Amino acid sequence: EADIYQTPRYLVIGTGKKITLECSQTMGHDKMYWYQQDPGMELHLIHYSYGVNSTEKGDLSSESTVSRIRTEHFPLTLESARPSHTSQYLCASSEYFVTENTEAFFGQGTRLTVV
Amino acid sequence: DQQVKQNSPSLSVQEGRISILNCDYTNSMFDYFLWYKKYPAEGPTFLISISSIKDKNEDGRFTVFLNKSAKHLSLHIVPSQPGDSAVYFCAASLSNSGYALNFGKGTSLLVTP
Repeated sequence: EADIYQTPRYLVIGTGKKITLECSQTMGHDKMYWYQQDPGMELHLIHYSYGVNSTEKGDLSSESTVSRIRTEHFPLTLESARPSHTSQYLCASSEYFVTENTEAFFGQGTRLTVV
Repeated sequence: DQQVKQNSPSLSVQEGRISILNCDYTNSMFDYFLWYKKYPAEGPTFLISISSIKDKNEDGRFTVFLNKSAKHLSLHIVPSQPGDSAVYFCAASLSNSGYALNFGKGTSLLVTP
């Protein structure tokens, strides 16, 4: 069973608020990822990290930012939430680069609604 | 630009029969292909994968076939069980993007008793 946790599971917040979505893993994985998924759509990579102090933007442009100060923690922050940020956010981690023999483990996701 | 495509949003199969989920991709540089299964209100869980140098990988009831010339892969589930009902995502990884996963939109499989 994967040990990767996301909080909160659900969040409804007003426009303009600053929010941080938490993601923690206890597996000691170097690689961590944030994906965004709208209903019925594919997961889009928005950020990833190879390790501490490493962050990269993914394929989908996002107004969010991430940090990786500790191996186990990869929070995502929106400085000013907007209705267009309403989506599900999924965090994942992997021990090595994802290949045939290395999978990525996903958290349960945070469903964000901005009103 | 979507590089991994699952053109069937849903599939219904009778219990005991074969389920075949299809996936097409556009980028011939993908190194690995994976299938993930997702239940409602949960994160995706890994199911099975295949390297781009292989054409078949089998794990119990699950087999993935890769046709590189057609840029097509499929997941076969035999025999299908009601517990297999979930959304199945096809994903591909690319070495020059840190092996991060590119996902399709998913296919919702319903296995009926």
